[in-house]
Amino acid sequence: QSVLTQSPSASGTLGQRVTISCAGSRSNIADNNVVWYQQLPGTAPKLLIYRINQRPSGIPDRFAGSKSGASASLAIRGLQSEDEADYYCAAWDDSLNGWVFGGGTKLTVL
Amino acid sequence: EVQLVQSGAEVKKPGESLKLSCKASGYTFTSYWIGWVRQMPGKGLEWMGIISPVDSKTIYSPSFQGQVTLSVDKSITTAYLQRSSLRASDTGIYYCARLTGTDVFDIWGQGTLVAVSS
Repeated sequence: QSVLTQSPSASGTLGQRVTISCAGSRSNIADNNVVWYQQLPGTAPKLLIYRINQRPSGIPDRFAGSKSGASASLAIRGLQSEDEADYYCAAWDDSLNGWVFGGGTKLTVL
Repeated sequence: EVQLVQSGAEVKKPGESLKLSCKASGYTFTSYWIGWVRQMPGKGLEWMGIISPVDSKTIYSPSFQGQVTLSVDKSITTAYLQRSSLRASDTGIYYCARLTGTDVFDIWGQGTLVAVSS
């Protein structure tokens, strides 16, 4: 049972816009920065979004993060086949004194 | 190139011990903490702990406190994760990752697959 709650799956067609949500609480998402990781099949996680909506060098602007209260979202526009992956949200938790992750959302590109 | 290269896959029997390594290169090792994350088969990511390469200060997840030991060898820019008395439930992929700022694991190792089976 993950501290952050994500829907197990999401899907979209090529070129479409999809949103992946992440629900937390005051001790994590509400009061701290949110990070998103992308895990392509059989590979290590990769940093996708940090500090809620910042993209590391090399990450296309099709990916955008946002936060409202104790929830966060990752939006992917112009969906491409290579976006098919598992997406994890994460945040520091002040009560647990550590990082917590969502259970992951498996994105399927139809 | 900044990278973390982890040791190879391990096959262990219950009760045996484990020591995984994570070799850092391409940056100043002592400038960033190293974290460890577990991924059980078909499951999500679990943060295990972090260690400072400067003074070996550690912060463990409550879920893994007392279960694992993190260490570093600055001379060879390598971090380690040790676990004794392995159980089948320790099976999974273990990742090391570089911690930048206060909340971002920006560089990840390729992962080490650990299989514990009798």
